[in-house]
Amino acid sequence: GDSVTQMEGPVTLSEEAFLTINCTYTATGYPSLFWYVQYPGEGLQLLLKATKADDKGSNKGFEATYRKETTSFHLEKGSVQVSDSAVYFCALSDYGGSQGNLIFGKGTKLSVKP
Amino acid sequence: GAVVSQHPSRVICKSGTSVKIECRSLDFQATTMFWYRQFPKQSLMLMATSNEGSKATYEQGVEKDKFLINHASLTLSTLTVTSAHPEDSSFYICSARDQGGDSHYTDTQYFGPGTRLTVL
Repeated sequence: GDSVTQMEGPVTLSEEAFLTINCTYTATGYPSLFWYVQYPGEGLQLLLKATKADDKGSNKGFEATYRKETTSFHLEKGSVQVSDSAVYFCALSDYGGSQGNLIFGKGTKLSVKP
Repeated sequence: GAVVSQHPSRVICKSGTSVKIECRSLDFQATTMFWYRQFPKQSLMLMATSNEGSKATYEQGVEKDKFLINHASLTLSTLTVTSAHPEDSSFYICSARDQGGDSHYTDTQYFGPGTRLTVL
């Protein structure tokens, strides 16, 4: 079945460092890909998404490009801030199905130190 | 973006009681809502898919008689944890599917802020 694999954390960076969180997927159809962020004690917020190959999702300085050839959707940010400390989840959804369920990776905790 | 609310945000109850959690889509209609459970430092586990006007679809291993789901309108789904026990203590998160128009490209799930359930 469909699945998402993302790098295990925790990831600890200094402020203004470059961030990459790797995410790869396995899907039989043509999924949409998402990054969600969860701040401590809160629910998930949609960070960005891409719905077809070569699409680039971007928001708040974060970017991810849908790479069909490598089945990847790596999250990047050029200069992280302390406020970016959170857990990041990569997810896919094959909307070819009737429900549009999201399949999540296990999450990567990011800690940014001042 | 679209907003989904959950109520209550936090609840503490005694073992054996029932707890109802509400999930509302505030600025869009959602024919489909999802209920997830999240254990500490783990990913989200899909419990069930809630469809407006029909019975919920439960994931394997989730007791439908224990976790009652009602999706009576296009903006409200409820999850009732019946006869709660300490092992039901968890963070419950709902999401609502905003299908927008007919385009595949606008179909996105938006998540509520979660409900922390503690059963004593």
